[in-house]
Amino acid sequence: SQQGEEDPQALSIQEGENATMNCSYKTSINNLQWYRQNSGRGLVHLILIRSNEREKHSGRLRVTLDTSKKSSSLLITASRAADTASYFCATASNQAGTALIFGKGTTLSVSS
Amino acid sequence: EAGVTQFPSHSVIEKGQTVTLRCDPISGHDNLYWYRRVMGKEIKFLLHFVKESKQDESGMPNNRFLAERTGGTYSTLKVQPAELEDSGVYFCASSPYRERGTQYFGPGTRLLVL
Repeated sequence: SQQGEEDPQALSIQEGENATMNCSYKTSINNLQWYRQNSGRGLVHLILIRSNEREKHSGRLRVTLDTSKKSSSLLITASRAADTASYFCATASNQAGTALIFGKGTTLSVSS
Repeated sequence: EAGVTQFPSHSVIEKGQTVTLRCDPISGHDNLYWYRRVMGKEIKFLLHFVKESKQDESGMPNNRFLAERTGGTYSTLKVQPAELEDSGVYFCASSPYRERGTQYFGPGTRLLVL
């Protein structure tokens, strides 16, 4: 069954603007991760937030997690053309090595 | 340190043929995962190895798919016979046994069944 649902499906912005992507999930989780996929390339891990965390930062990335609403958001600040990619959230149900459940992704296009 | 590698990068075969995909995980990673993304759909889990043992194969779609990881190093995923609906991108990922969460993905194999 599908777990993560990203919103919006597609987002187009100008360089320098901020991009916000949202993810909702259905079942309880141990952690939630965000991945990026550039066209034709593999998935690159961006950030992991655990169920007992509410916010996490990594460079220009800010991730929030609201377990009561079963939702997460990824904010990319001061976007660059190189941020153009598909972004996926993925959830893990327990802390041991386990299957990730992905959403369909948000396609971000940043124009200069 | 080399990342996860997959071979081939692309494969085009006809319906009914056999294809074998290979994944080399990051050295020392005991966990190895296979996922696939069918066109227009989300990335879906296929199975999980811990060393050479299948820990979870609940995502394998049917018995035309066979995964192996002899010796606990690289893994192969064989599709026999291939069907049109098997077309998509097959990703492999690995993680250290003790690390919780982060999985490191390979570039994927793009399979097209005609």
